[in-house]
Amino acid sequence: EPEVTQTPSHQVTQMGQEVILRCVPISNHLYFYWYRQILGQKVEFLVSFYNNEISEKSEIFDDQFSVERPDGSNFTLKIRSTKLEDSAMYFCASSEGLNKYFGPGTRLTVT
Amino acid sequence: AQKVTQAQTEISVVEKEDVTLDCVYETRDTTYYLFWYKQPPSGELVFLIRRNSFDEQNEISGRYSWNFQKSTSSFNFTITASQVVDSAVYFCALSNTGNQFYFGTGTSLTVIP
Repeated sequence: EPEVTQTPSHQVTQMGQEVILRCVPISNHLYFYWYRQILGQKVEFLVSFYNNEISEKSEIFDDQFSVERPDGSNFTLKIRSTKLEDSAMYFCASSEGLNKYFGPGTRLTVT
Repeated sequence: AQKVTQAQTEISVVEKEDVTLDCVYETRDTTYYLFWYKQPPSGELVFLIRRNSFDEQNEISGRYSWNFQKSTSSFNFTITASQVVDSAVYFCALSNTGNQFYFGTGTSLTVIP
């Protein structure tokens, strides 16, 4: 069964560094998303992406964040200058319709 | 504004007991979608079900059943004859566009053998 994959599973970075989180959505899906979950808290929407552009974003998704689909398979989330409060689990998701399928997540730890 | 409330933070049941996880939502939209996801200890989010606002039929899938009641804005999830493998955090979510999901805070279910 096709699934969303994410790399790395765990990333440790120092405050102020740039990180890129990578995702490979399910191949025939057209809609892509990033969500995050701070430890022990609820899952929060960051951004949705369709037809090579952002279709919706939340207040969390400020200028420090960007997304890209650099080729036909990858979907990336870049955090330009990480802060301690960016430590969270980041989930990529994709959908062809209404049902979203989430990847296993990347745990980002900012020290 | 969209909001999902899962008032039960933690529930513990003994194996084979039935358990119901509550979900109450708020939205002004007439068309919306409700979801349940399971987050096992390994951390991934597993899609369980989607319900459209115009379809109030209840659904049963094996030991899982969902009760959607628009009159009370609730979308409750029942696990019958619970098993240890059901131990996880369960999230209810609401969406109006299909883009942004609004998740509840989750209910942590522990099934004791």
